[in-house]
Amino acid sequence: RKEVEQDPGPFNVPEGATVAFNCTYSNSASQSFFWYRQDCRKEPKLLMSVYSSGNEDGRFTAQLNRASQYISLLIRDSKLSDSATYLCVVAPNAGNNRKLIWGLGTSLGVNP
Amino acid sequence: DGGITQSPKYLFRKEGQNVTLSCEQNLNHDAMYWYRQDPGQGLRLIYYSQIVNDFQKGDIAEGYSVSREKKESFPLTVTSAQKNPTAFYLCASSPSNTDTQYFGPGTRLTVL
Repeated sequence: RKEVEQDPGPFNVPEGATVAFNCTYSNSASQSFFWYRQDCRKEPKLLMSVYSSGNEDGRFTAQLNRASQYISLLIRDSKLSDSATYLCVVAPNAGNNRKLIWGLGTSLGVNP
Repeated sequence: DGGITQSPKYLFRKEGQNVTLSCEQNLNHDAMYWYRQDPGQGLRLIYYSQIVNDFQKGDIAEGYSVSREKKESFPLTVTSAQKNPTAFYLCASSPSNTDTQYFGPGTRLTVL
């Protein structure tokens, strides 16, 4: 089993749709979780951290399910500009600058 | 402006030549990282440094070397020993006691 697994997609949705991605991780002791966004031929950019209680930032909601070892990202009212690859990232140890484990990404295309 | 800079954006080299990629940050971050990304692939960690004058090998360090003489700078040398050097190289930095990483714009290296 891969350390971090994501459905590669592509997910193609119309503008205004709600779309959700899941990501599973294998290390039950993992401490920190993130979603990054990467546009084509650009660097990854932090979208949001994922907290145990779940967190929301505008149209984006992230959830963590430790029991089932997955995190999710929900995007509401999709915009054309949301088209990108979404990377799930897991840190095995909290806050000590250790290596991050990167998923391969889920590709999202939002169509007019 | 605070941020991470990488130069050059595009770099072409002949096979057998060593090449050094620049990464500078003025965010006062302690930790710095080098990743490689190939088309359709995830990020793979080459080297990382948590403190000045110290660095550790990542998952694919063979054929690469780094130095960390200053907090702000973490240059990566791609040596002739690296079998497939053509890739997108990303530098990142992270504040103390967090796992969040922030990326520079990347350097696309093509070896002819």
